[in-house]
Amino acid sequence: KAGVTQTPRYLIKTRGQQVTLSCSPISGHRSVSWYQQTPGQGLQFLFEYFSETQRNKGNFPGRFSGRQFSNSRSEMNVSTLELGDSALYLCASSLTPETVNTEAFFGQGTRLTVV
Amino acid sequence: AQTVTQSQPEMSVQEAETVTLSCTYDTSENNYYLFWYKQPPSRQMILVIRQEAYKQQNATENRFSVNFQKAAKSFSLKISDSQLGDTAMYFCAFMNFLTGANNLFFGTGTRLTVIP
Repeated sequence: KAGVTQTPRYLIKTRGQQVTLSCSPISGHRSVSWYQQTPGQGLQFLFEYFSETQRNKGNFPGRFSGRQFSNSRSEMNVSTLELGDSALYLCASSLTPETVNTEAFFGQGTRLTVV
Repeated sequence: AQTVTQSQPEMSVQEAETVTLSCTYDTSENNYYLFWYKQPPSRQMILVIRQEAYKQQNATENRFSVNFQKAAKSFSLKISDSQLGDTAMYFCAFMNFLTGANNLFFGTGTRLTVIP
């Protein structure tokens, strides 16, 4: 079956712009999480969505937001981009949030560069 | 809050040899899972091995095994018979039993290079 699909793979934006990234989870998976990966801060949890509701949120400013659609696809949005938002954004999906489903499957990420 | 520490930014190993990557963590929780993920140059995170905190037996997956010391909050990964395809970044990760499967805390990673 198809894995987690993230689009686009690469993106270049200018400071002050906004950006929307997309994630399609594995078919049947209903939990989607987003992570930011930077050389300085490593991998940090952004937020998790399940059944179109934000279930958990990491320690990021309000410029970072997300949503999940009824088909479990998720988008994340970053407004008023800053240079420090340049990062690899990873999406992960799992069947449900319950811990019996302990494996989260990751996409290949979207590389965002802010200039 | 949970923290995960990987104190070895880079390591190298000769092909066919054994290498151990270190990870320590801090938590006040009693029920949790620990993971090792591999991130090759393709950037896709791949689960290598997982360990349930309530299990005393160390997890093993083929050439990969862990040494889980709950009291010491230590979770190291041993790779035996290292192969060139093992070259990658390796991340140790923590999952709180309560927050669930898709909310992971990661260490800063160890870059492993397997030398032919």
